[in-house]
Amino acid sequence: DSGVTQTPKHLITATGQRVTLRCSPRSGDLSVYWYQQSLDQGLQFLIQYYNGEERAKGNILERFSAQQFPDLHSELNLSSLELGDSALYFCASTPEGTNYGYTFGSGTRLTVV
Amino acid sequence: KNEVEQSPQNLTAQEGEFITINCSYSVGISALHWLQQHPGGGIVSLFMLSSGKKKHGRLIATINIQEKHSSLHITASHPRDSAVYICAVSLSYGGSQGNLIFGKGTKLSVKP
Repeated sequence: DSGVTQTPKHLITATGQRVTLRCSPRSGDLSVYWYQQSLDQGLQFLIQYYNGEERAKGNILERFSAQQFPDLHSELNLSSLELGDSALYFCASTPEGTNYGYTFGSGTRLTVV
Repeated sequence: KNEVEQSPQNLTAQEGEFITINCSYSVGISALHWLQQHPGGGIVSLFMLSSGKKKHGRLIATINIQEKHSSLHITASHPRDSAVYICAVSLSYGGSQGNLIFGKGTKLSVKP
């Protein structure tokens, strides 16, 4: 157990639907990062939150959004799902925003059918 | 051209062999990370380094900042080392600081 908890582990849903992925960071970590891993694109950075505020955005689609709550857990919302959104979604946490080792969760495998 | 390039893409070795995986990058970085991803999918951070060399058990990671190159070495390889090894860099500038750019990974298979 890395200390970063992601739920659910697996999710199967239909095109056009909306899902929410949840991440609880390691205790004491203030930064949460979301990543998407697909077969054709590899790992890509989506978005970062630090202590409740958005810090940086990567290749995140407009259909996707995220937030970090006062207890520091984060949710990634994916809407109007398409087949191409099928991927592994990882979150990671660090103690502060930069230059610290990342601790990854075990990922959520999303399958859109 | 990708900002982070790894080689080789695939590597098959016999148990006990010395293994080297290479990573080159073309951007300014604050740190370089080596990650391990097993077939089950989970990602484990092996090393974070910004200079020199780090060692953990049979794993050694080196970085040459001037040449923008890093290597991951595995000594006395074992079948349990079979995994995908991913090089990632933390950018050193602006709002992207701290975010990771990933290489495509090296799939290592160690045969008994």
